[in-house]
Amino acid sequence: DAGITQSPRHKVTETGTPVTLRCHQTENHRYMYWYRQDPGHGLRLIHYSYGVKDTDKGEVSDGYSVSRSKTEDFLLTLESATSSQTSVYFCAIRETGSSGNTIYFGEGSWLTVV
Amino acid sequence: DAKTTQPPSMDCAEGRAANLPCNHSTISGNEYVYWYRQIHSQGPQYIIHGLKNNETNEMASLIITEDRKSSTLILPHATLRDTAVYYCIVRVAGSQGNLIFGKGTKLSVKP
Repeated sequence: DAGITQSPRHKVTETGTPVTLRCHQTENHRYMYWYRQDPGHGLRLIHYSYGVKDTDKGEVSDGYSVSRSKTEDFLLTLESATSSQTSVYFCAIRETGSSGNTIYFGEGSWLTVV
Repeated sequence: DAKTTQPPSMDCAEGRAANLPCNHSTISGNEYVYWYRQIHSQGPQYIIHGLKNNETNEMASLIITEDRKSSTLILPHATLRDTAVYYCIVRVAGSQGNLIFGKGTKLSVKP
């Protein structure tokens, strides 16, 4: 499972409230990612990080911010949740190997905005 | 857009080999072929990847044609637990971002 833990696994929140999802890894990987998955759209990259305090935007970053103050934690924040952000969110890490690198995913965080 | 083409669905009998094809005719020389699967309500699971040579691990085998324009993922003895959506992805080794997932192949393993 590549040592990835996402929390919370399930959350229901109200429109307009802030929400933070946490991704924790235990294996000191440099790269971490946040994706969302929606029917008809597949997996889409929100933000990624390539080191402590180093982050960049992905395909669908509007309405989201991220922070990485230490290697093991990558936080995704919805500053003011909207119903369009109801989704399942996956964290991922990149493991570097001799034959290219491999991305491993966490088990997901289901977010419902009502 | 995804750079791969896969059939939308396939069936396989339990205990038989499942052969999942993928077309990647525009693959570049430095792009690897990756396979992932996603079982309902779970995160995508890495299966295998390769560049030119055929690869095998405890989960599956990957056969890449000599011209690298297509590949086949082989699950040698499919079980009901292998029912999932299988994604074939091409990606440059060492690239910072993204895996671009297409629609994949829904494999249904039947008793």
